[in-house]
Amino acid sequence: GAVVSQHPSWVICKSGTSVKIECRSLDFQATTMFWYRQFPKQSLMLMATSNEGSKATYEQGVEKDKFLINHASLTLSTLTVTSAHPEDSSFYICSASGVLIEQFFGPGTRLTVL
Amino acid sequence: AQSVTQPDIHITVSEGASLELRCNYSYGATPYLFWYVQSPGQGLQLLLKYFSGDTLVQGIKGFEAEFKRSQSSFNLRKPSVHWSDAAEYFCAVGAVGGGGADGLTFGKGTHLIIQP
Repeated sequence: GAVVSQHPSWVICKSGTSVKIECRSLDFQATTMFWYRQFPKQSLMLMATSNEGSKATYEQGVEKDKFLINHASLTLSTLTVTSAHPEDSSFYICSASGVLIEQFFGPGTRLTVL
Repeated sequence: AQSVTQPDIHITVSEGASLELRCNYSYGATPYLFWYVQSPGQGLQLLLKYFSGDTLVQGIKGFEAEFKRSQSSFNLRKPSVHWSDAAEYFCAVGAVGGGGADGLTFGKGTHLIIQP
């Protein structure tokens, strides 16, 4: 089946620094990638949708200047959390969709901001 | 706006007993429905999905789900649970927009506990 990877799997950073998370589709071309956020013991919330070569579409309430998304190729999307603060600590999960409707999820990245 | 309701936050089932996890959705058009399982600290694994056709869907690990349009439900069932089924289960609804798949809306999840 389709495989999606994320790197890093976990990251700890200091408040005020920026962190980049990569999401890769390993064996298919992802025309659309999605970024979700999951707080402890809670559900996943869609943050943004990105199509290759286009600007990302952000969900209401998600700060586009804080969560920068780049989908530069059909196999890679990146999420950069700029000037991270402790309240940004969360589990970030990406998913990718190609010619099939189904989304394939990455294993997630746990971000801890000190 | 679409929404998904999983009314049971926690469910405890004895090993070997049957299981049903409830999911109700609200969506303006024909929905695409999914059940995912998540183990602690892990990503999501797709158990099964419904796009169209037969309303009884078979998935992995012995799970099945039935789409009932009249009840706006997509309940997940398993005839006999195993200790390894203990996890968090999420129901999700999605659609296909003009440019392809849309983002999914997830329920709050049901935490399944298996008693020996």
